[in-house]
Amino acid sequence: EIVLTQSPTTIAASPGEKVTITCRASSSVSYMYWYQQKPGASPKPWIYDTSKLASGVPNRFSGSGSGTSYSLTINTMETEDAATYYCQQWSSTYTFGAGTKLELK
Amino acid sequence: EVQLQQSGPELQRPGASVKLSCKASGYTFTEYYMYWVKQRPKQGLELIGRIDPEDGSTDYVEKFKNKATLTADTSSNTAYMQLSSLTSEDTATYFCAREGFTTVGGYFDYWGQGVMVTVSS
Repeated sequence: EIVLTQSPTTIAASPGEKVTITCRASSSVSYMYWYQQKPGASPKPWIYDTSKLASGVPNRFSGSGSGTSYSLTINTMETEDAATYYCQQWSSTYTFGAGTKLELK
Repeated sequence: EVQLQQSGPELQRPGASVKLSCKASGYTFTEYYMYWVKQRPKQGLELIGRIDPEDGSTDYVEKFKNKATLTADTSSNTAYMQLSSLTSEDTATYFCAREGFTTVGGYFDYWGQGVMVTVSS
């Protein structure tokens, strides 16, 4: 099973700040997927196929990476971006990262 | 519009069983696998298993093999998950999620709203 390790576990950012969340895989994966979850809500698909934004996701978000290292970047933090972000890979089985909680500073 | 509508919150005693439902609409139910995901309070996402509604075949994560039973009713487009021998460790929110595919990979493109199961005496 491929283990996904997200870092940091928690991060606080001010509006306008650039934010990067990293997801490292224990073995190489072809693509990475990201979800946004806010308290009391279900996860929402956010980025798919490593770098494609899901419907309705603002273009201040971007995804990149390859092999064992992937990242989600917010170019300029906005208050509505405060949430927990999970990475997910698909190989022979699905696994999720443990999540990164993004807080507003 | 694709929707996954889950049943309401549950309060159960230790040792009891509970059956959760997930009613799908807006797409052909038999064309997509349905997964179930567990999220304990303030914790991450944990896969339980999946069902192919077309033929009822299932696949479970090892730790849930004796805990969860997945079924599907194609006449009502509803997926079910039964949890048995409940303990406090089963207190969590449970999501159903449809497996979607892009041209290169799989992910969960639609999610139910989640159902909170509380196990307490």
